Amino acid sequence: ETGVTQSPTHLIKTRGQQVTLRCSSQSGHNTVSWYQQALGQGPQFIFQYYREEENGRGNFPPRFSGLQFPNYSSELNVNALELDDSALYLCASSGQGGKRDTQYFGPGTRLTVL
Amino acid sequence: GEDVEQSLFLSVREGDSSVINCTYTDSSSTYLYWYKQEPGAGLQLLTYIFSNMDMKQDQRLTVLLNKKDKHLSLRIADTQTGDSAIYFCAENDKGKLIFGQGTELSVKP
Repeated sequence: ETGVTQSPTHLIKTRGQQVTLRCSSQSGHNTVSWYQQALGQGPQFIFQYYREEENGRGNFPPRFSGLQFPNYSSELNVNALELDDSALYLCASSGQGGKRDTQYFGPGTRLTVL
Repeated sequence: GEDVEQSLFLSVREGDSSVINCTYTDSSSTYLYWYKQEPGAGLQLLTYIFSNMDMKQDQRLTVLLNKKDKHLSLRIADTQTGDSAIYFCAENDKGKLIFGQGTELSVKP
């Protein structure tokens, strides 16, 4: 069974640029959630995708957007990068889109905005 | 609003028990979780407890839930140096996880 994978591992961008982060869900899972973890903080929920539709969103501006593909992999896109977007971005997959499903995390993408 | 709180640091000696505490606010949470994060890594699910349970044991890990006080704890028996990490509790709010700030556990030989 393949776990959750994310790419790239690390990324450096400059303010104003755009970035795309990728996530492959665990085998058999159809739901992907994205979290932002600033240094020294707990993860903050960005949004969740279930069967290619957004299924809940946290308190993040519209320049954070996402996609889920038919194979349940997902992308997180961030436009007009700001210095405060520097963080570890975590993707988690879960089983059936139920509100009680356990979420399994990938290793994260470390984004640095200069 | 939703809030999960944890103490920031805990230091123990190898072989001792560690107890990490957490309080949460959303009484409708059905599941509560403990995750472990090692430096530079993602989150590893350690265990979880359903809200109608008081206790769950899984090898060296014991989770206690006091739903009346909205208090959750994780006990690690016979703590080892490999247990040094940051531990997060999280509540499930309709599919989104709300995390505490994390407790950094330091295990001294």
